[in-house]
Amino acid sequence: DAKTTQPPSMDCAEGRAANLPCNHSTISGNEYVYWYRQIHSQGPQYIIHGLKNNETNEMASLIITEDRKSSTLILPHATLRDTAVYYCIVRAGYFITQGGSEKLVFGKGTKLTVNP
Amino acid sequence: DTGVSQNPRHKITKRGQNVTFRCDPISEHNRLYWYRQTLGQGPEFLTYFQNEAQLEKSRLLSDRFSAERPKGSFSTLEIQRTEQGDSAMYLCASSLKLAGGPNEQYFGPGTRLTVT
Repeated sequence: DAKTTQPPSMDCAEGRAANLPCNHSTISGNEYVYWYRQIHSQGPQYIIHGLKNNETNEMASLIITEDRKSSTLILPHATLRDTAVYYCIVRAGYFITQGGSEKLVFGKGTKLTVNP
Repeated sequence: DTGVSQNPRHKITKRGQNVTFRCDPISEHNRLYWYRQTLGQGPEFLTYFQNEAQLEKSRLLSDRFSAERPKGSFSTLEIQRTEQGDSAMYLCASSLKLAGGPNEQYFGPGTRLTVT
């Protein structure tokens, strides 16, 4: 799986948008960009994923550059409960018969602190 | 609650003792993963099951570690002759793998092991 680069920490004011960048310059054509977050002392939580197009769900938006070498996770209206470590992960998918584990390879992520 | 559950949530044991953790995945999820997380680091993959078959093991999984998923439902992770270096959070995740494209993994709350 390709490696990702994220800033170690970021701050955001409550109610404002939080934009978390991720570089994945060696991403392959069949690799997806996944975002997870981990609130203190809890298990990681899936947020969103994408391949080429921008994606949006009830939690966040994911913007992937046209060359797919970087992406940005956007939390449109950050709350104090969004304070967490955010992980950007790239991973390939496999057909079930291919047996690939699709394990998640976590880096150190970005520690986002939302301030009141 | 239909999420991934793990028991116990906390375990304190003396060096040299054996410990066993249990993970109950989301019902009908065919894949189950174990990860380990030490302080300040992202989770690291240990092993995964597709149904009852253990298909991949990390080099981190020494011969003191064994995992089972006997009926393709719950899983257990046993550590024999625990060492202080085994102190960590042990996370379980499950997913439903159907076809191509990586699948989201849903994590449990983890079991925190402290070896004294």
